[in-house]
Amino acid sequence: EVQLLDSGGGLVQTGGSLRLSCAASGFTFSSYWMYWVRQAPGKGLVWVSRINNEGSTTSYADSVKGRFTISRDNAKNTLYLEMHSLRAEDTAVYYCAREGGYCSGERCYGGYSDYWGQGTLVVVSS
Amino acid sequence: DIVMTQSPDSLALSLGERATINCKSSQNILNGSNNKICLAWYQQKPGQPPKLLIYWAYTRESGVPDRFSGSGSGTDFTLTISSLQAEDVAVYYCQQYYSIPRTFGQGTKVEIK
Repeated sequence: EVQLLDSGGGLVQTGGSLRLSCAASGFTFSSYWMYWVRQAPGKGLVWVSRINNEGSTTSYADSVKGRFTISRDNAKNTLYLEMHSLRAEDTAVYYCAREGGYCSGERCYGGYSDYWGQGTLVVVSS
Repeated sequence: DIVMTQSPDSLALSLGERATINCKSSQNILNGSNNKICLAWYQQKPGQPPKLLIYWAYTRESGVPDRFSGSGSGTDFTLTISSLQAEDVAVYYCQQYYSIPRTFGQGTKVEIK
């Protein structure tokens, strides 16, 4: 059974830092691209970041670029999100998610999120 | 960035009625390499993470009841719940995965009248 377990959230002061983790199990973690998506209280879903299966290619939303860093440890089956210079507007539930798709020959196609963690709440307050 | 716009923002229907949720993308999201539309639909119930319902615009995820279906072409897409059940009360989101950043619609809240 695919499981994603988010952790690391909490209360942090404005300008502070936090590291989120997502422990994966039930699938070959090193074969999948992974995402972070966040949801402010009472609001919609916002894509934050993506990392390829090897950890060599990353992408970020403009709102977090330069402040957040996505990484992974395939030996530990764990995805990370390092967050710095946190702002009030970063307050949200942060979800890790697995990228779904398929491969045909040497090409792979995908981008939707087929499994999600339960989320971890980050509250940034002065 | 591709903007995804859903309508309506909310709808309230009686049990057994058909629910229709629309999603419009600001530009083409057809992958020319595999000729598939890069659109997904998710269901989110209160206090839970999103759940994938539909991907590639029309493909139902394993285990999703067949009363859920996706349709559309070009830049206009629809999620249909053919016969609304009590357990379908949730917020529904569309998402494009044609380009980075991935973007979601604002969500449509479905309630029972």
